[in-house]
Amino acid sequence: DAMVIQNPRYQVTQFGKPVTLSCSQTLNHNVMYWYQQKSSQAPKLLFHYYDKDFNNEADTPDNFQSRRPNTSFCFLDIRSPGLGDAAMYLCATSLDTNSNQPQHFGDGTRLSIL
Amino acid sequence: AQTVTQSQPEMSVQEAETVTLSCTYDTSESDYYLFWYKQPPSRQMILVIRQEAYKQQNATENRFSVNFQKAAKSFSLKISDSQLGDAAMYFCAYRSAWGAQKLVFGQGTRLTINP
Repeated sequence: DAMVIQNPRYQVTQFGKPVTLSCSQTLNHNVMYWYQQKSSQAPKLLFHYYDKDFNNEADTPDNFQSRRPNTSFCFLDIRSPGLGDAAMYLCATSLDTNSNQPQHFGDGTRLSIL
Repeated sequence: AQTVTQSQPEMSVQEAETVTLSCTYDTSESDYYLFWYKQPPSRQMILVIRQEAYKQQNATENRFSVNFQKAAKSFSLKISDSQLGDAAMYFCAYRSAWGAQKLVFGQGTRLTINP
C-alpha cells in the first residue's frame, strides 16, 4: 500500500507558468518534507513542516512556497518556474523530530519546463 | 554545516559477490544519525540501513552491513551476495540529532550488478 503518494508522477509546465505539486500521506506523520533532486545530483531539502510549523531552508529560492492544509496533504507551489527548476521533486514524511525515525519517501514528481 | 561525500560515482559487481560503497562525512557534532538509502530507477527512495553515532556496534540488515568509523568519519556500506535487484543509486545521508531535521545527502553511487 502506498504510504506517501505524489501526484502527478510527471508534470510539464511552461516557463513562468505557476505549477503545484501534491503530496499526501496515510502514515499520520507529523513532519513532511520537500526535496529537489536535479539530474545525477543528491536530493536537497527545500523546506519542511512540523505539524503546521513551516521551516524554510536558508537557500531555498523565494519562487518556491508550500502549503499544508491538514496532516495528510502538503503542496509545493512554484510561482514562476524557470528552466533551472526542472528536476525531480521528492516528498517525504517522518513520525516526529526524533532523528532516529527514518524518512519515508514518495515516488517523486518529475517536473519539466518548456 | 555538515557535508557528506561519496567518492565513487559508479560501481559494478558480479552477481553473488560482495561490494563496498564508501561514504565520508564532516561534522563537528558528536550525536547524529547516518543512513543509506537506495533509489532504483524511476522508483521511490527507500531506507536500507541506519546507524546511531552513539552506538559502537555496526548495524546489520540481512545482506547489508555498515562499517562505521566515528573517529575517521567514515560510513561504508557492504552488500553481500549481490542480487540483480540491488541495482540502484545509493545515497549516504547524515542527520543531526538536534535542531533541524533535514537529511544531508551525498552525491550518490550508481551500483550495477552484472549477471
